[in-house]
Amino acid sequence: AQKVTQAQTEISVVEKEDVTLDCVYETRDTTYYLFWYKQPPSGELVFLIRRNSFDEQNEISGRYSWNFQKSTSSFNFTITASQVVDSAVYFCALSDFNNNDMRFGAGTRLTVKP
Amino acid sequence: NAGVTQTPKFQVLKTGQSMTLQCAQDMNHEYMSWYRQDPGMGLRLIHYSVGAGITDQGEVPNGYNVSRSTTEDFPLRLLSAAPSQTSVYFCASSYSGSEQFFGPGTRLTVL
Repeated sequence: AQKVTQAQTEISVVEKEDVTLDCVYETRDTTYYLFWYKQPPSGELVFLIRRNSFDEQNEISGRYSWNFQKSTSSFNFTITASQVVDSAVYFCALSDFNNNDMRFGAGTRLTVKP
Repeated sequence: NAGVTQTPKFQVLKTGQSMTLQCAQDMNHEYMSWYRQDPGMGLRLIHYSVGAGITDQGEVPNGYNVSRSTTEDFPLRLLSAAPSQTSVYFCASSYSGSEQFFGPGTRLTVL
């Protein structure tokens, strides 16, 4: 069975600090996708990134970066120079290659204080 | 494009009542799914569909029915509502293997 663990329930940082959100996954599939979604206080789910299991290259998008390590089954998310607008719940998710069974972690609530 | 739309936004039911949560998408996505979100548990997959006429169970299907008669619509039926079904329900759609686009959610309370 597929499983995603986000061990950090809540994180609080001060603006401009860097913060890393951890994600560890379990799957028996050799091909799969990993995702990060953001849920701001307004409640909608915002897609951030999708990474397939063949591509272990790290990715950077502005202040966001992702570190995918198959050896440790981790897909961590770092926000550099955090801002108050980054305050949200962040979900890591894992799906099979056809998106037929997506499993979400419990989420990490990030609070960025001014 | 309206994206993924869900109705209603809020609903209060009494135990034992039935209702249908509506979901529609205008992106011609073949894949659609329903999730429930409960505090501290993330989102859990209820049912999904890979195309019109095809549906399958997710992680927590009990108490819910779905059908997919068209590509655009994927309604979720609660047969006999129970307090344990109090939750926020999200519908999503995507192309196969692509990122899912989520609707705004329906907040359901069962008394």
